[in-house]
Amino acid sequence: AQSVTQLGSHVSVSEGALVLLRCNYSSSVPPYLFWYVQYPNQGLQLLLKYTSAATLVKGINGFEAEFKKSETSFHLTKPSAHMSDAAEYFCAVTRMGSQGNLIFGKGTKLSVKP
Amino acid sequence: EPEVTQTPSHQVTQMGQEVILRCVPISNHLYFYWYRQILGQKVEFLVSFYNNEISEKSEIFDDQFSVERPDGSNFTLKIRSTKLEDSAMYFCASSAGGQGNSPLHFGNGTRLTVT
Repeated sequence: AQSVTQLGSHVSVSEGALVLLRCNYSSSVPPYLFWYVQYPNQGLQLLLKYTSAATLVKGINGFEAEFKKSETSFHLTKPSAHMSDAAEYFCAVTRMGSQGNLIFGKGTKLSVKP
Repeated sequence: EPEVTQTPSHQVTQMGQEVILRCVPISNHLYFYWYRQILGQKVEFLVSFYNNEISEKSEIFDDQFSVERPDGSNFTLKIRSTKLEDSAMYFCASSAGGQGNSPLHFGNGTRLTVT
């Protein structure tokens, strides 16, 4: 069965520090992978998506993610955290044979300290 | 930028009552979805809808749930007789395409509280 695991329910970094949010997936076929961000009292906003065109995917707000098939990972990174990056981040994979049926990870709440 | 809008933002209802959650998807999108997130748990798929019919539904989406596109702009989720365990944040989403790589655009959600 497909699944998404996000390591670390809470991650805290200092402003200007590297952000690394981990996501591992399980899928028997090449997956479609997504990162979404949820700011307080808002919906889920697409950060970036992997659809097999390139393993390094650049998204909005300076975030990027690298698809590593050998590690079944799709970790999200940003070189320098801003206070405005404080939010909850969700990794998701499209359920095999489905359209729009996303399997989400539990989410990682990112805190940014001044 | 066009967005998905959901109303109300918060709905409180008594157990056994019917509720209708409303959504206006992005106007040129053809695929519509409902997801929910129970507090502290994962975001879960409920149902997808295309061409005026359900294309896929999860095991959560039982006979108590129904969806409808009553006109050219609204997409609704009805829970016929609410239970305490239906308390959750409900997200509507839409996408332009139906492929697995088409990103979903989510609304801000409706927080449903069943008392």
